[in-house]
Amino acid sequence: GENVGLHLPTLSVQEGDNSIINCAYSNSASDYFIWYKQESGKGPQFIIDIRSNMDKRQGQRVTVLLNKTVKHLSLQIAATQPGDSAVYFCAENMGSASKIIFGSGTRLSIRP
Amino acid sequence: GAVVSQHPSWVICKSGTSVKIECRSLDFQATTMFWYRQFPKQSLMLMATSNEGSKATYEQGVEKDKFLINHASLTLSTLTVTSAHPEDSSFYICSARDLGRGPNQPQHFGDGTRLSIL
Repeated sequence: GENVGLHLPTLSVQEGDNSIINCAYSNSASDYFIWYKQESGKGPQFIIDIRSNMDKRQGQRVTVLLNKTVKHLSLQIAATQPGDSAVYFCAENMGSASKIIFGSGTRLSIRP
Repeated sequence: GAVVSQHPSWVICKSGTSVKIECRSLDFQATTMFWYRQFPKQSLMLMATSNEGSKATYEQGVEKDKFLINHASLTLSTLTVTSAHPEDSSFYICSARDLGRGPNQPQHFGDGTRLSIL
């Protein structure tokens, strides 16, 4: 079946650098995308979202880019900090089903 | 705002026991809640969609008689793992959407329940 996947399972970034986490999705009917952060032993925490009628959205230190042509989603974290260490999931809203399906996740680790 | 509380946070029990997990939306109403299961180093897998006042909708491969879901009010959904066995050991996470904020809103997640079956 269709699902959301990721290019990289792990990412190591120098503290202070920018991080880019990528995600590929295959469901063309998805109309809403979300990035979540999950710390160990906790539930996912909302970071930022984007609707399919947009290609970019910015938050505090984070930017999400959506390329519907190639079905690609990315999360950019500016000036990565130790507190950004976590697993990041992209998720897609399955259109009329209104259920959110998660990608496989990327672990972000920060080098001091 | 948009806080989802899950209880218990962890439980250890013997094989064959039934375990109930509660999911509450504390400051908003949710006609729909979702139950996920997460194995170590894996993603969240949607198990079922819990609908207030009606039967839950289960994902393919999830046994509805094994995982009983009740959504009795706009702020409470429960998941009961019946006759649990070691293979049911996992991290169970619920989520809910804020009814009053319209479509295409993010789900808010509880902090999960770590279930260990001996």
